[in-house]
Amino acid sequence: ETGVTQTPRHLVMGMTNKKSLKCEQHLGHNAMYWYKQSAKKPLELMFVYSLEERVENNSVPSRFSPECPNSSHLFLHLHTLQPEDSALYLCASSQVNTRQGYTFGSGTRLTVV
Amino acid sequence: AQTVTQSQPEMSVQEAETVTLSCTYDTSESDYYLFWYKQPPSRQMILVIRQEAYKQQNATENRFSVNFQKAAKSFSLKISDSQLGDAAMYFCAYSSGGSNYKLTFGKGTLLTVNP
Repeated sequence: ETGVTQTPRHLVMGMTNKKSLKCEQHLGHNAMYWYKQSAKKPLELMFVYSLEERVENNSVPSRFSPECPNSSHLFLHLHTLQPEDSALYLCASSQVNTRQGYTFGSGTRLTVV
Repeated sequence: AQTVTQSQPEMSVQEAETVTLSCTYDTSESDYYLFWYKQPPSRQMILVIRQEAYKQQNATENRFSVNFQKAAKSFSLKISDSQLGDAAMYFCAYSSGGSNYKLTFGKGTLLTVNP
């Protein structure tokens, strides 16, 4: 596989559930990102991992917990979410300091019921 | 903090015609990069074109070109000979040239291509 792969593509979960989103990149990049995309809003940067260390956490509620076990994989663990957390969650990767932009996955469409 | 503004929530164009999408940004930096991304219904964001702020020449990729006006902090995207496959959400994005590698996005412009 090439590029950035996100699974699952769709997820419906109850507010008391625990689930995880997975992202995998096959580009040899050294930075990975989670973005939240809601209707009528700009993309919101949630977390940044560079060289497997979290370098940014944009005041994201603790019910979202990222994990980056290696440079190719990124997870977003979800628990006790709220309906307003329903959105498209996009993963991206990049090579830091090359300024070539990001490569994105196709996203996970999350619905919290 | 940098901001990116796309003032056109929606645009439409006839197939084979030309359309220009607007983007303005606010920054105090002199070294930065600008991008246009396309998000079709498949949801995957695809890089369309990239511009380095220190380059005066406008970037071009086939039917896509930009009009980069650094003093005016304007970065518009021109799509020539529009095709049905160009229909998508288009996002303008800014990245600092320093060690900050974040992308800041505008709200996007939804482009419709009419046959």
